[in-house]
Amino acid sequence: DSGVTQTPKHLITATGQRVTLRCSPRSGDLSVYWYQQSLDQGLQFLIQYYNGEERAKGNILERFSAQQFPDLHSELNLSSLELGDSALYFCASSLTGLNSPLHFGNGTRLTVT
Amino acid sequence: SQQGEEDPQALSIQEGENATMNCSYKTSINNLQWYRQNSGRGLVHLILIRSNEREKHSGRLRVTLDTSKKSSSLLITASRAADTASYFCATYDPSGTYKYIFGTGTRLKVLA
Repeated sequence: DSGVTQTPKHLITATGQRVTLRCSPRSGDLSVYWYQQSLDQGLQFLIQYYNGEERAKGNILERFSAQQFPDLHSELNLSSLELGDSALYFCASSLTGLNSPLHFGNGTRLTVT
Repeated sequence: SQQGEEDPQALSIQEGENATMNCSYKTSINNLQWYRQNSGRGLVHLILIRSNEREKHSGRLRVTLDTSKKSSSLLITASRAADTASYFCATYDPSGTYKYIFGTGTRLKVLA
């Protein structure tokens, strides 16, 4: 058990809808990362937060947004969903970021129909 | 853009054999990490090697790092069926953007 909790585990929704994915980092970890993994693909970095502040941004679509709250949990919001957004979305946390291993949750599997 | 790229993309071996997978990257790094992913699950951290280290061991895992060639290798000795998984290398983006970039992974299948 990595200590990172992601909810929900599965999400099925229709095109055009909006969903929110939630992540609770491992106790004591200040950094939260979001990654997208499409079928048989590598991990695409979306965004990173450190202690409530956005620290790095990857190829995150404008339809996607995220935030990290004072209690350090994070939410990833996906709107105007398209079929191509179907993927596994992972949250990971680390103590600081630099030279710290990432601890991954088990992901949220999003299916857009 | 991909920083790390693993090679081979897929590897199939018999139980008891050794498995070697390689990772190449493009820019200077602070450290390089290896992760394992069982099908559909979250990634699990295996080992971190810093840029000033050349070799590191953890149980049946041996990682080497050659910064002059910008490459790393992961050796799994005496493989078991339970080692069947995808293996990814990850490098910390040195440009100051504080993000870890993952390679495309090597899919390892260990046959019993």
